[in-house]
Amino acid sequence: DGGITQSPKYLFRKEGQNVTLSCEQNLNHDAMYWYRQDPGQGLRLIYYSQIVNDFQKGDIAEGYSVSREKKESFPLTVTSAQKNPTAFYLCASSLETSPGDTQYFGPGTRLTVL
Amino acid sequence: AQSVTQLGSHVSVSEGALVLLRCNYSSSVPPYLFWYVQYPNQGLQLLLKYTTGATLVKGINGFEAEFKKSETSFHLTKPSAHMSDAAEYFCAVSPNYQLIWGAGTKLIIKP
Repeated sequence: DGGITQSPKYLFRKEGQNVTLSCEQNLNHDAMYWYRQDPGQGLRLIYYSQIVNDFQKGDIAEGYSVSREKKESFPLTVTSAQKNPTAFYLCASSLETSPGDTQYFGPGTRLTVL
Repeated sequence: AQSVTQLGSHVSVSEGALVLLRCNYSSSVPPYLFWYVQYPNQGLQLLLKYTTGATLVKGINGFEAEFKKSETSFHLTKPSAHMSDAAEYFCAVSPNYQLIWGAGTKLIIKP
């Protein structure tokens, strides 16, 4: 089945640690996205990538980093510089970055800082 | 700046009643419009989207939405609510290739 996988489903981090969230897609999509979701808020864009080896900051990129070395993979690192990282993180992909392209979502990773 | 407003963070309806979730947007150009659904602790699933053409869009699970340009609205409806419809619903607009999201509306179904 084609789709997007995220791992782990739950992640616990101690303050000061960097953690990496995995996102893999087998839809052959060019574009991939990372969103952060907090209760009572819509999704906020962290980073997006339109093509391999290229990515752009979204609205809340501070304290996060990404890489796009392979078309199917777009890992997100939450660094110790992120002041309030506890949230639900969603990865998405779309065929291209044309207006109106549907974004398809993974199941999410819930990150909790201890 | 573009924005999306979803009226009501929580909407409660009885099983079998009409579901109406409201979405208004601001956009200087005709946008593309989406409704997504999220079940607890899961990712988002596309319900329906409007690109061009017919303004009444039918989606999955019996939902539909109507694009009204004059009202800058894209309200989501379902004639008869089912317990399985309990979830959070997000409206989004796409003036370009990025999505601008509303804050979401939690739909509560009363037995």
